[in-house]
Amino acid sequence: DAGVIQSPRHEVTEMGQEVTLRCKPISGHNSLFWYRQTMMRGLELLIYFNNNVPIDDSGMPEDRFSAKMPNASFSTLKIQPSEPRDSAVYFCASRSPGTRISSYNEQFFGPGTRLTVL
Amino acid sequence: GENVEQHPSTLSVQEGDSAVIKCTYSDSASNYFPWYKQELGKRPQLIIDIRSNVGEKKDQRIAVTLNKTAKHFSLHITETQPEDSAVYFCAASVGSARQLTFGSGTQLTVLP
Repeated sequence: DAGVIQSPRHEVTEMGQEVTLRCKPISGHNSLFWYRQTMMRGLELLIYFNNNVPIDDSGMPEDRFSAKMPNASFSTLKIQPSEPRDSAVYFCASRSPGTRISSYNEQFFGPGTRLTVL
Repeated sequence: GENVEQHPSTLSVQEGDSAVIKCTYSDSASNYFPWYKQELGKRPQLIIDIRSNVGEKKDQRIAVTLNKTAKHFSLHITETQPEDSAVYFCAASVGSARQLTFGSGTQLTVLP
């Protein structure tokens, strides 16, 4: 299994540009999470999906952020327009429905996308 | 919502010594408590977890304890090694909601 796949791994853009981050969860996983990590705020949950349906987007900072999950194997996080304060590492994580009690809630993280907005 | 506090923010120990990281949570309904390790520039990875129906769990040099009454849980690493140096995050989850609330992280440095 290739694990959670994210692209791009690094993104440098200018303020005002649109940024799209992509995630492919582990096959068979039905929950997907988008996190943002910064030194100041740590790991923040932005939004999560269950069976492709957004369940909680209360962590999305503002209307400039949007996320979609058109099918079980793909999700996007879009920032439009981007601002310097959006600079962070964005992680996608996925989780299986759970077949073993000990791994029921484990989230597997992707490698992250390091976003720099100039 | 859930609030997870983690202490200390930084911890330095000599190789071979033990390290303890502590977390408290606010929602008494939380029933799942994982610990993640994040090496520099890498992704967080689960190292151990505990469910609310047990008080302690051990896996080789790492152990986690849970006190539901006091709403706190701790990570214990014994016989620390330089490769244990990383940022450790605790988290809490409320059952079927399935989302994790993370602590602020602890930078552990093991000095050779």
